[in-house]
Amino acid sequence: GAGVSQSPSNKVTEKGKDVELRCDPISGHTALYWYRQSLGQGLEFLIYFQGNSAPDKSGLPSDRFSAERTGGSVSTLTIQRTQQEDSAVYLCASSLLVTGLYQETQYFGPGTRLLVL
Amino acid sequence: LAKTTQPISMDSYEGQEVNITCSHNNIATNDYITWYQQFPSQGPRFIIQGYKTKVTNEVASLFIPADRKSSTLSLPRVSLSDTAVYYCLVGDIMNRDDKIIFGKGTRLHILP
Repeated sequence: GAGVSQSPSNKVTEKGKDVELRCDPISGHTALYWYRQSLGQGLEFLIYFQGNSAPDKSGLPSDRFSAERTGGSVSTLTIQRTQQEDSAVYLCASSLLVTGLYQETQYFGPGTRLLVL
Repeated sequence: LAKTTQPISMDSYEGQEVNITCSHNNIATNDYITWYQQFPSQGPRFIIQGYKTKVTNEVASLFIPADRKSSTLSLPRVSLSDTAVYYCLVGDIMNRDDKIIFGKGTRLHILP
């Protein structure tokens, strides 16, 4: 079946502009996660959704970052007034259900490579 | 989420068995241990998950001692294509502070 898809695959923008990154999770997956990965670094957790709600948004780097998920499916990560330090690969993952009883396997998308000039 | 510690990098040769150990001293009773693999320009990919003792699949084995304070990912007879970053992840976001920490992982470099 189809995996997690993300768009665009690459995005070059100018400092100060807003960008929207999209994630299409695997159909039927309730949980959706956003991560950021800077060059040569590990994954930085940003936010997760269970259905359409995000229990904790404190992982978002600043108030310029926001995320939403509608219909329990597609999610959008928006970065307002982009800065050069926002340049990174933004990865999305989904999992079947966040139960708390065992650790869900996360299925990752290919990422969106954002470059802020 | 349990803090994990892994070696930053490892080198090995084709055909060798590679063991990568992850320390997780404050693992909780309900925590599972999961390993992911990431190739350049790709998202991480699930390799294996376990709770205790030994788990084996077609890709790797995972050894977990009785105290569960560490785990070892074992890759049998590695090839050049196993060059990647390997992440150890312990716990579940529902049980802790709602943050998932992959860390920097272990960069495995396979030499011919």
